[in-house]
Amino acid sequence: EAQVTQNPRYLITVTGKKLTVTCSQNMNHEYMSWYRQDPGLGLRQIYYSMNVEVTDKGDVPEGYKVSRKEKRNFPLILESPSPNQTSLYFCASSIRVGSYEQYFGPGTRLTVT
Amino acid sequence: DQQVKQNSPSLSVQEGRISILNCDYTNSMFDYFLWYKKYPAEGPTFLISISSIKDKNEDGRFTVFLNKSAKHLSLHIVPSQPGDSAVYFCGAGSYQLTFGKGTKLSVIP
Repeated sequence: EAQVTQNPRYLITVTGKKLTVTCSQNMNHEYMSWYRQDPGLGLRQIYYSMNVEVTDKGDVPEGYKVSRKEKRNFPLILESPSPNQTSLYFCASSIRVGSYEQYFGPGTRLTVT
Repeated sequence: DQQVKQNSPSLSVQEGRISILNCDYTNSMFDYFLWYKKYPAEGPTFLISISSIKDKNEDGRFTVFLNKSAKHLSLHIVPSQPGDSAVYFCGAGSYQLTFGKGTKLSVIP
């Protein structure tokens, strides 16, 4: 089954404790992306990657890191999480950049206290 | 500054009637546009897209119209069904994708 998986689905952590949210797709997609969804702000892109070893900043990259060492994986790293990073995070992938369907993962609900 | 705007936070429509969701953008470099639907507790799902070289794209009950001179696009759903009740996000981009804040559509039986 074609899908984007994210882990964990729910995470409660404390300020400053490094964490990684994993994202994996099994569709051999070139393009992958991370978004956060906040009430009243909609979906905002954090980082995107057009292919292996190619990443770039989206609209709200501050406080986040990503890496793309393999085509299928695109982890989101929070080196020192802060309460303003409490949000719902989505990973997505598409065959390549452009007017192509992006497949979204189920979301990761992160709470930073 | 918001590059993609959905000015209506919510919309209510009777079942069977047309739903029209609107989206405005400011960046003339955007070369593709997409609509996504999102139910609570799920990831967004793709509905329909259009590239900047077209002005209309249809897929079943869903039609997207693009007016480049006005920097405006709209999604028409005909006929609207209760299962269409969801939050709809308009997105636009070239390499980076920018979404609007969403419009919550309620289709009343």
